[in-house]
Amino acid sequence: GIQVEQSPPDLILQEGANSTLRCNFSDSVNNLQWFHQNPWGQLINLFYIPSGTKQNGRLSATTVATERYSLLYISSSQTTDSGVYFCAVERFVVTGNQFYFGTGTSLTVIP
Amino acid sequence: NAGVTQTPKFQVLKTGQSMTLQCAQDMNHNSMYWYRQDPGMGLRLIYYSASEGTTDKGEVPNGYNVSRLNKREFSLRLESAAPSQTSVYFCASSPPASARNTYEQYFGPGTRLTVT
Repeated sequence: GIQVEQSPPDLILQEGANSTLRCNFSDSVNNLQWFHQNPWGQLINLFYIPSGTKQNGRLSATTVATERYSLLYISSSQTTDSGVYFCAVERFVVTGNQFYFGTGTSLTVIP
Repeated sequence: NAGVTQTPKFQVLKTGQSMTLQCAQDMNHNSMYWYRQDPGMGLRLIYYSASEGTTDKGEVPNGYNVSRLNKREFSLRLESAAPSQTSVYFCASSPPASARNTYEQYFGPGTRLTVT
């Protein structure tokens, strides 16, 4: 399968600070997604970003598929941003599509 | 529109017991997935179904079976539970590639399974 590495594994921020999370993947992929898992365990889609840059409020993401990495930017962090951020890559196969998840970045935002 | 629903939310089994985890989606998605999440790890794909009537193995299929009953439902069965299967199980669905928009996979709330 494809190896997906995320860094840093853990991050503690003061409220209002900015941060960058990184996702490296070991092989060519068709697509990439970023997810947020909140402290209650719910998984929420953030970005579907096979390439290029997207922004949604205080969050933005950039994927450089040719160099096999993606970045998630969080600006002006809030306590509600706490949780685990996962990167997942998608590869199309004959029978459908498969996803490989990274091990996540655990973010804690303190007031 | 409930999205992806899973039952039960919690379950405790004894080693050797069997059970079926249920998943249903009402978004008319073609693809459905079962993942497990262990502490400190990302999600690992157990099985997936690209369309009704088809299923395929993911990264960690051993000890599990699945059934795509119809387009809406995708169940995961543990025939003889083992302590190593203690985990949180997530079901997900996604639309076909031709219908993709900004958001891709939609997840259920998870089932927390403990095998003693």
